[in-house]
Amino acid sequence: NAGVTQTPKFRILKIGQSMTLQCTQDMNHNYMYWYRQDPGMGLKLIYYSVGAGITDKGEVPNGYNVSRSTTEDFPLRLELAAPSQTSVYFCASSPLAGGPSWTQYFGPGTRLLVL
Amino acid sequence: DAKTTQPNSMESNEEEPVHLPCNHSTISGTDYIHWYRQLPSQGPEYVIHGLTSNVNNRMASLAIAEDRKSSTLILHRATLRDAAVYYCILRPMEYGNKLVFGAGTILRVKS
Repeated sequence: NAGVTQTPKFRILKIGQSMTLQCTQDMNHNYMYWYRQDPGMGLKLIYYSVGAGITDKGEVPNGYNVSRSTTEDFPLRLELAAPSQTSVYFCASSPLAGGPSWTQYFGPGTRLLVL
Repeated sequence: DAKTTQPNSMESNEEEPVHLPCNHSTISGTDYIHWYRQLPSQGPEYVIHGLTSNVNNRMASLAIAEDRKSSTLILHRATLRDAAVYYCILRPMEYGNKLVFGAGTILRVKS
């Protein structure tokens, strides 16, 4: 299993440009998540999805959009990039909620710089 | 979500045990205690979790206080590869499908 994969690894955007961060998991997990991590800080949840066609906002959703058309993929869209969106973005997945063995699996991250 | 408190940073010598503390005085009876770590330039990875009893796995041990208001992650022999940020996170047992990350503890390991 590749686990959770993210592309690209690094990207530079100009202010106002748009882009999509890709995330794919091959563990057949229902739940998928997008986090951002600013320097020296913990991760903050942007959006999450409990299954294909179902998404919900996390702590910091403004400026982002998501969709979930398949179990495997959960892309994150930035429509009008702003310098405040400079961050490292992590995608994660997990099996159904609850249960003693539940845990989350993270991708390697996408580093985004908005200039 | 119940809050956790961890030291900002800790330092250890290689080959020695490391005890990383976490306070969670407002923990509810059905919160799991999860530990994740984040190696430099990588995504977080699961380390261990527990509910009431102490837990051991190949990576670490988790010691949970009897009143569950604190816990300690134990790395039995720190290596340079264990240098990372360690996060202590509480997760509700039922329908707990999100993790709330604090700033964690930066562990530095000296050779």
